Amino acid sequence: LAKTTQPISMDSYEGQEVNITCSHNNIATNDYITWYQQFPSQGPRFIIQGYKTKVTNEVASLFIPADRKSSTLSLPRVSLSDTAVYYCLVLFSGGYNKLIFGAGTRLAVHP
Amino acid sequence: DTGVSQDPRHKITKRGQNVTFRCDPISEHNRLYWYRQTLGQGPEFLTYFQNEAQLEKSRLLSDRFSAERPKGSFSTLEIQRTEQGDSAMYLCASSLQGRDEQYFGPGTRLTVT
Repeated sequence: LAKTTQPISMDSYEGQEVNITCSHNNIATNDYITWYQQFPSQGPRFIIQGYKTKVTNEVASLFIPADRKSSTLSLPRVSLSDTAVYYCLVLFSGGYNKLIFGAGTRLAVHP
Repeated sequence: DTGVSQDPRHKITKRGQNVTFRCDPISEHNRLYWYRQTLGQGPEFLTYFQNEAQLEKSRLLSDRFSAERPKGSFSTLEIQRTEQGDSAMYLCASSLQGRDEQYFGPGTRLTVT
């Protein structure tokens, strides 16, 4: 399973766009990239998933370059409620989707 | 549907006691997962069920841990002879077969004194 590397922490302010980059140098052809969000004392929550280029949903965008060795989660106009831990994971599409979490990125949004 | 539920939400037990946790997945989901999370770390995979079949157990799951999913509905995770190192948040998740998104419950926080 591909290992992911992402910043330990980030700080931002309300209304700003936040980009969290994750590297996954040994991603395999059949792997997908997925991101989860976790608030304190809650289970993780799915944000977005993609294979290549760009994916956008109502809460975030995911940018994946052609070599797929990295990906960037983009959160537009963050608010205080976006303060959470964000996990980047590589998901093997041929398996049963066992999630391997790293330490994640702790995002703090300030007023 | 109200999502994945777990019971109890908190459990305090003395070392050496047995504890059992319950997870009720989203009703139409075939896949059920257990994870364990300690403070400051991401969740760690423990075990996975597809319907009633337990298809994988992590090496983290010692012989003191056992999980069941009778009839492919709710699941239980039992820890025998608890140790202080078992103190953690135990998370359950479920997903629909063929879909990747996992829905997590609120977790059961275990404290072993």
